[in-house]
Amino acid sequence: ILNVEQSPQSLHVQEGDSTNFTCSFPSSNFYALHWYRWETAKSPEALFVMTLNGDEKKKGRISATLNTKEGYSYLYIKGSQPEDSATYLCASPTAGNKLTFGGGTRVLVKP
Amino acid sequence: DVKVTQSSRYLVKRTGEKVFLECVQDMDHENMFWYRQDPGLGLRLIYFSYDVKMKEKGDIPEGYSVSREKKERFSLILESASTNQTSMYLCASSSPQGKRNQPQHFGDGTRLSIL
Repeated sequence: ILNVEQSPQSLHVQEGDSTNFTCSFPSSNFYALHWYRWETAKSPEALFVMTLNGDEKKKGRISATLNTKEGYSYLYIKGSQPEDSATYLCASPTAGNKLTFGGGTRVLVKP
Repeated sequence: DVKVTQSSRYLVKRTGEKVFLECVQDMDHENMFWYRQDPGLGLRLIYFSYDVKMKEKGDIPEGYSVSREKKERFSLILESASTNQTSMYLCASSSPQGKRNQPQHFGDGTRLSIL
């Protein structure tokens, strides 16, 4: 089973501060890296699908980078707001479109 | 927008009951998935399907079965519910185009409690 790991498991951020957290994955046979945001009482929502080494994607105040050679991706939140509070999941495909998910990073933004 | 609808948000059943969780998607997606989410364990794949009447086991299929009689509907069946199947269940769908770089679209989840 592909091992996808996320750290930290949880973090508290003061409103207005920026933060980042990590997803690590095996670098061999890399195909893609997915990021999802899962807010309480809602469904997980796709943020990014990244495929190229060195790629950087951005959506509003959230951005992500990808290093396929060393097997990690960072997700950044700039100027955190309470609505950024969510669990952020990364996932990497194995066979076909079957995804293996990390355990998630739970972010709580305090006003 | 893709809509993935799960039949119940909350469900309470008794040990030994046969339980059906239903999922419907409206975007003509070939791929459909069932996951369960438990604290600290992330999403774990139970079963998936690439086409009608087709199914493949995921990482934790024991105690579950699935049915895909129509393209838009994917059902998860707990043959004889047990307390260790108390969990949040999520359904997802995706297009096969480009396969592994297509995002999955999720339903709102069903929180199932087995008493």
